[in-house]
Amino acid sequence: DTEVTQTPKHLVMGMTNKKSLKCEQHMGHRAMYWYKQKAKKPPELMFVYSYEKLSINESVPSRFSPECPNSSLLNLHLHALQPEDSALYLCASSPLTANNEQFFGPGTRLTVL
Amino acid sequence: RKEVEQDPGPFNVPEGATVAFNCTYSNSASQSFFWYRQDCRKEPKLLMSVYSSGNEDGRFTAQLNRASQYISLLIRDSKLSDSATYLCVVGYSSASKIIFGSGTRLSIRP
Repeated sequence: DTEVTQTPKHLVMGMTNKKSLKCEQHMGHRAMYWYKQKAKKPPELMFVYSYEKLSINESVPSRFSPECPNSSLLNLHLHALQPEDSALYLCASSPLTANNEQFFGPGTRLTVL
Repeated sequence: RKEVEQDPGPFNVPEGATVAFNCTYSNSASQSFFWYRQDCRKEPKLLMSVYSSGNEDGRFTAQLNRASQYISLLIRDSKLSDSATYLCVVGYSSASKIIFGSGTRLSIRP
């Protein structure tokens, strides 16, 4: 299984809502990532989990809260988002080998009203 | 100066043409190098890793020059299906982190 899956595919939420994005991989990868991508821009790293521990937080606002329940799962909890947070949210995983290629899920397209 | 810089594009070339993309990176501590392609409204997909010895995968050839901190991608005999944005990506193994270039948009016309 060489796939990273993400749910939901699309999400529309109000600024007062709480929602969660989910990501799963069964490749035995030990690192998982959250990225945010705006139109016509490259992905921007948000968080990195290595061996289920948060290793990088790229100064992301606290309205985004990551969680790694186990080595296969990664969640991103959303609360009190702003319209400018509307974007494609991508999850990735990597094996933490020397080359460490990252494999991306299809993303969740988030719209904040 | 951006850490990873790419040709801005867009490139618009006829089917069958050869097209080359260039990329430079600023951090000499970079340890891994990749080309990803991204189709409109889809996720980035790994096209190939890039090694100092150069590597080829069918119509695609990637080169790395560590001394000049330069990466290239050559696409021969381009197909309509090659139309996409090509992202140059540089990695730092110690930080489990990769840095994306801004991407080069390629359109292949019939």
